Amino acid sequence: QVQLVESGGGVVQPGRSLRLSCAASGFTFSTYAMHWVRQAPGKGLEWVALISYDGSNRYYVDSVKGRFTISRDNSENTLYLQINSLRAEDTAVYYCAKVRNSYDNTGSPFDSWGQGTLVTVSS
Amino acid sequence: DIQMTQSPSSLSASVGDRVTITCRASQSISIYLNWYQQKPGRAPKVLIYAASSLQSGVPSRFSGSRSGTDFTLTISSLQPEDFATYYCQQSYSIPLTFGGGTKVEIK
Repeated sequence: QVQLVESGGGVVQPGRSLRLSCAASGFTFSTYAMHWVRQAPGKGLEWVALISYDGSNRYYVDSVKGRFTISRDNSENTLYLQINSLRAEDTAVYYCAKVRNSYDNTGSPFDSWGQGTLVTVSS
Repeated sequence: DIQMTQSPSSLSASVGDRVTITCRASQSISIYLNWYQQKPGRAPKVLIYAASSLQSGVPSRFSGSRSGTDFTLTISSLQPEDFATYYCQQSYSIPLTFGGGTKVEIK
């Protein structure tokens, strides 16, 4: 069965960096676009970033452009999110999510999610 | 960016009630509308995709419909395990966007 396991969260000071990882198993990782979605404490869901199945296309929400970088290693079945210049408003649970249809960037829903990793930005 | 306006933000209902949640897109998104259920401390789970297709394994009491840019999630007979927060999401264009959520509480 599909499994997505995030790691790398923690308490970080403003302005510092962090790299989140998402280890995938149970499906052919290299044929699926992958996303990061975050949820601030007590708030709703916010889409953060998308990477195409082969890594050739990457998209971000405006609020993280220039600070976040999504990447993937298809040989290791792992998705990453490099977060730089952290701000208080980046405090959230970060989920990685798989789309339903292989090769789709948009169109498909998120049919599998990880358990999330909490990033807390605080001095 | 496409704005998704979800209503109501919360509702109280009893077991067995019929519950309807609506979501309006700020522009045409065709059928690219998905519904998720989220319970406290858990990741979201897709219920409905492409406006009206039921995700495998989801009970048939959940259904979705579309009228133009207005979308509806209906729970035909609310069960105890359905008390949760529900989100709509458009998957038509980047940036992907979610509605603000509807918290379904026990009356």
